[in-house]
Amino acid sequence: DAGVTQSPTHLIKTRGQQVTLRCSPISGHKSVSWYQQVLGQGPQFIFQYYEKEERGRGNFPDRFSARQFPNYSSELNVNALLLGDSALYLCASSHDPGRSSYEQYFGPGTRLTVT
Amino acid sequence: SQKIEQNSEALNIQEGKTATLTCNYTNYSPAYLQWYRQDPGRGPVFLLLIRENEKEKRKERLKVTFDTTLKQSLFHITASQPADSATYLCAPRGNNRLAFGKGNQVVVIP
Repeated sequence: DAGVTQSPTHLIKTRGQQVTLRCSPISGHKSVSWYQQVLGQGPQFIFQYYEKEERGRGNFPDRFSARQFPNYSSELNVNALLLGDSALYLCASSHDPGRSSYEQYFGPGTRLTVT
Repeated sequence: SQKIEQNSEALNIQEGKTATLTCNYTNYSPAYLQWYRQDPGRGPVFLLLIRENEKEKRKERLKVTFDTTLKQSLFHITASQPADSATYLCAPRGNNRLAFGKGNQVVVIP
């Protein structure tokens, strides 16, 4: 079975531009979470979606938005990019996040560089 | 505010020895805690989960303990191998989501 896939792998954008990152979860997983990982830090939670509905949102500005599609794939959008948005963006899929425990399966990430 | 602390200094350890990593958390009451491994430039990989009512969990050469009174989890790699060199992330579950520490790098020296 294919793991979590993300596209693109790398991306270079200019300040003020907008970017869309894509994620396809493992087949059968209905939950997708997005994380931002700055170099030297752990992943920081941005969003969680389950069954196309937002289940959680981290402490990120409104410039960050996301959605989940009927096939459970997801997009993360970031508007008005800042230099500080440069990071590895990780997508993770899992079963129902309301279960008593759930492992998250991470994709390889999208490396975003803002110049 | 909620905080997860992992030692920022890399742990250099001789092959065959046991590596022990510490994760301390504050202002959390996690129902469970997970440990992940991350290699440079790659996404984290799930290793182990331990619930609040479990004291210890093992998987092959890995062992995790969870002390909810001390608000601490210990992660052990026994008989360490160079292939164990990576960053290990602690992730307690709080507020209906996982929160990650910054990770602890392990370097196993042959």
